[in-house]
Amino acid sequence: GENVEQHPSTLSVQEGDSAVIKCTYSDSASNYFPWYKQELGKGPQLIIDIRSNVGEKKDQRIAVTLNKTAKHFSLHITETQPEDSAVYFCAATATGNQFYFGTGTSLTVIP
Amino acid sequence: DTAVSQTPKYLVTQMGNDKSIKCEQNLGHDTMYWYKQDSKKFLKIMFSYNNKELIINETVPNRFSPKSPDKAHLNLHINSLELGDSAVYFCASSQELYQPQHFGDGTRLSIL
Repeated sequence: GENVEQHPSTLSVQEGDSAVIKCTYSDSASNYFPWYKQELGKGPQLIIDIRSNVGEKKDQRIAVTLNKTAKHFSLHITETQPEDSAVYFCAATATGNQFYFGTGTSLTVIP
Repeated sequence: DTAVSQTPKYLVTQMGNDKSIKCEQNLGHDTMYWYKQDSKKFLKIMFSYNNKELIINETVPNRFSPKSPDKAHLNLHINSLELGDSAVYFCASSQELYQPQHFGDGTRLSIL
C-alpha cells in the first residue's frame, strides 16, 4: 500500500512569515493529494488539493506544489496569521483507493 | 447546518462495556467512513460504506461493527471495550468512494 511521510512534525513561525510543510509518497499510482487543517477539538477540514496532472495550485495565501518524479508535494502558507495555527495533514490516494494520511504537522504562528 | 454530525462528543466508559457512536450527514453523499485518531494524531481509516457495500480495514478488530440504516447514517458499535480503544473517532462522508471527504468533529472515547 501507499506510505506517506510528512515533515516537520512541529513548526513555529512568526506572524507574517511563511510556513512550508512537505510530504513524500511511495506509490507512483497516487494521483490525488489533499491537504487538511485540523483545529483543536474539530475534525480535519479540506483546505486545498491537487491532482497529478497539475504541478501547482494556489488559493489566496495557501499553495500546493507537486513533483511527481520525486514523489513529493508541499503546502506553502504565506503571510501567516495566528488563526493558521492548527495541525495540518497531507494525504495521497490513487483512484478507487483509500486515503493515506501523513502523520501531521502542528503549526504554531507566534503573534 | 452541520454537514457531518456525530454524537456523543465525549464518551467515558469502563473497560468491557459496549457502546455506540452515531453519525449523520446531510450532504446527500453516497459514501461514509469511520476513522480512528490516536494520541499522536495519526489518522487511520477503519471502514468505508458505499451504497450498502461495506469495505473493512482488516486491521480493525471484529469488536468494531459499523451499521448503516440508510445512506445518511453510519453508526459505530464497539463491543467489549479495551483500554487501547481510547482515541478520537471521526466520521466522514464523500460524494463517491474515496473522493474529497467532509469530517465530523469527532467523538473522544476514554476507557477507564
